[in-house]
Amino acid sequence: SQQGEEDPQALSIQEGENATMNCSYKTSINNLQWYRQNSGRGLVHLILIRSNEREKHSGRLRVTLDTSKKSSSLLITASRAADTASYFCATDPRGYQKVTFGIGTKLQVIP
Amino acid sequence: DTGVSQNPRHKITKRGQNVTFRCDPISEHNRLYWYRQTLGQGPEFLTYFQNEAQLEKSRLLSDRFSAERPKGSFSTLEIQRTEQGDSAMYLCASSLREEKLFFGSGTQLSVL
Repeated sequence: SQQGEEDPQALSIQEGENATMNCSYKTSINNLQWYRQNSGRGLVHLILIRSNEREKHSGRLRVTLDTSKKSSSLLITASRAADTASYFCATDPRGYQKVTFGIGTKLQVIP
Repeated sequence: DTGVSQNPRHKITKRGQNVTFRCDPISEHNRLYWYRQTLGQGPEFLTYFQNEAQLEKSRLLSDRFSAERPKGSFSTLEIQRTEQGDSAMYLCASSLREEKLFFGSGTQLSVL
């Protein structure tokens, strides 16, 4: 079963624009992670935000976490064609021993 | 750090046959996960090991699926009496405590 749900499921933007993806989840978490997957490839970790953190930055990535709303957002600034990929949020639920993924947002950046 | 290694990369089998996949995690990682992914979907959790102990197993996993992690090192995932619905990418990931997951390239299973 999927714990998180990403929104939108698909996003198409022009190169240079910002891309925002949202993730909602259901249970209390230890942390929330964002991953990227290029077509036909494995998943690559982008950023991890802990339940006691509200915002985190890594290069062109900005992640926010609102535990009261059980939601997170991933912002990619100044997008590039190479950012074209699927992006997944993953939650590490408190009290459980598993990391579960959402269905993903498919991002297309048009050159 | 040689990364997470999965073998084979591709497996084609006939319905009813048994298949086994292997995952070699990053050596110092105590957590190991198996996921299944179909086209257009996110990875679906199958099972989780902490060292050699299997601590979580998805209710979606039928008794045709079994996983082991002897001595807390490599892991194997076996599917018995394969069905066409088992066709998917099988992903292995490892991590150290509650940290980021490192994924292998996966094993693509096709059941004919």
